[in-house]
Amino acid sequence: GENVEQHPSTLSVQEGDSAVIKCTYSDSASNYFPWYKQELGKGPQLIIDIRSNVGEKKDQRIAVTLNKTAKHFSLHITETQPEDSAVYFCAAPQAPSNTGKLIFGQGTTLQVKP
Amino acid sequence: DAEITQSPRHKITETGRQVTLACHQTWNHNNMFWYRQDLGHGLRLIHYSYGVQDTNKGEVSDGYSVSRSNTEDLPLTLESAASSQTSVYFCASSGTGLETQYFGPGTRLLVL
Repeated sequence: GENVEQHPSTLSVQEGDSAVIKCTYSDSASNYFPWYKQELGKGPQLIIDIRSNVGEKKDQRIAVTLNKTAKHFSLHITETQPEDSAVYFCAAPQAPSNTGKLIFGQGTTLQVKP
Repeated sequence: DAEITQSPRHKITETGRQVTLACHQTWNHNNMFWYRQDLGHGLRLIHYSYGVQDTNKGEVSDGYSVSRSNTEDLPLTLESAASSQTSVYFCASSGTGLETQYFGPGTRLLVL
């Protein structure tokens, strides 16, 4: 069945270092890949998304890359800051892709040490 | 500004009681979703709706029901609460088609 695998489950970095979180998906027809950030006690918030017609998208310190051939996409955070500490979720459409439903990865807990 | 709200934010109930969690969005979105979040399971879809009078089961729908009488609201009802339904519940909404889902702040439910 459809699946989204997310790695690593936890990630600890020093402030100023980069962090990379990777997700793989199983449905080759998937064409929309959002990333959400969830701070403690809050709901997930969209931070960046990418559609399958581009390979990379950047927004200040965050970027997402997509490799459709390998069916994986990654979140890159550069110059990490303590406020980047949160749980990050990737997602991909649940087939068929136009239903609006998403399948979420298991989440990555990012800790940025000052 | 448009937003999505959930109430109550925290709820303690007893096994066997009926519980209703409210979700209200002012985005005028057609699509609304209910998820539960548990450690080790991420976000799992309970029920969803594509518009007024439309409701559909998600992957973990047993013991839950929803109704959609207007565009803004999708209440989630636990017919007879069980301890296994202790969780954090999130409501989300999106426009028609494959659009960004916007999440509410969540309801933390404890079933004793």
